Amino acid sequence: EPEVTQTPSHQVTQMGQEVILRCVPISNHLYFYWYRQILGQKVEFLVSFYNNEISEKSEIFDDQFSVERPDGSNFTLKIRSTKLEDSAMYFCASSESVGQPNTEAFFGQGTRLTVV
Amino acid sequence: DAKTTQPPSMDCAEGRAANLPCNHSTISGNEYVYWYRQIHSQGPQYIIHGLKNNETNEMASLIITEDRKSSTLILPHATLRDTAVYYCIVKASYDKVIFGPGTSLSVIP
Repeated sequence: EPEVTQTPSHQVTQMGQEVILRCVPISNHLYFYWYRQILGQKVEFLVSFYNNEISEKSEIFDDQFSVERPDGSNFTLKIRSTKLEDSAMYFCASSESVGQPNTEAFFGQGTRLTVV
Repeated sequence: DAKTTQPPSMDCAEGRAANLPCNHSTISGNEYVYWYRQIHSQGPQYIIHGLKNNETNEMASLIITEDRKSSTLILPHATLRDTAVYYCIVKASYDKVIFGPGTSLSVIP
């Protein structure tokens, strides 16, 4: 069964450092998403990406964040200068299409980011 | 504003049916009812979705009332592995998934 894969599973970084979280969405999917979940809190939407550009972003997704699809398979989330409050689980998701029957999003297992 | 209302927690005996309710009285005509779940520390997992007809798949059944203002997710024979937070989400097919607090289901041996 196809799945969304994320690497690394756990990333520890020092405050102020740049970090890149990587995701390989399901191969025929066109829509890509990043979410985060701070420990004990709900899953929060960060950004959606379609046709090589951001289609929507939340208030959380400020100038410290960026996304990129550098090749045909990877989808990355970069945090330029990490803060302690960026510590969270980050989930990547992808969906096949919109307005079509198969519109469910598939989520990866997440990257746990710990900023120290 | 929350589009759905779910009980914060529920218990279910192992082997029994788990019936998880969701109220969505302001649902629009083009919005679907989606259910996802999140097992502890894992990524959210899609379960099922429907527009107005009842739906069934290998994981669960979704019962939507005729007026579409509420729905029930049914896990027919709950197992310990079904212990998770269950999210009822109302959205248009082209919209992103937005998670609320969900219902924390505990399946008890």
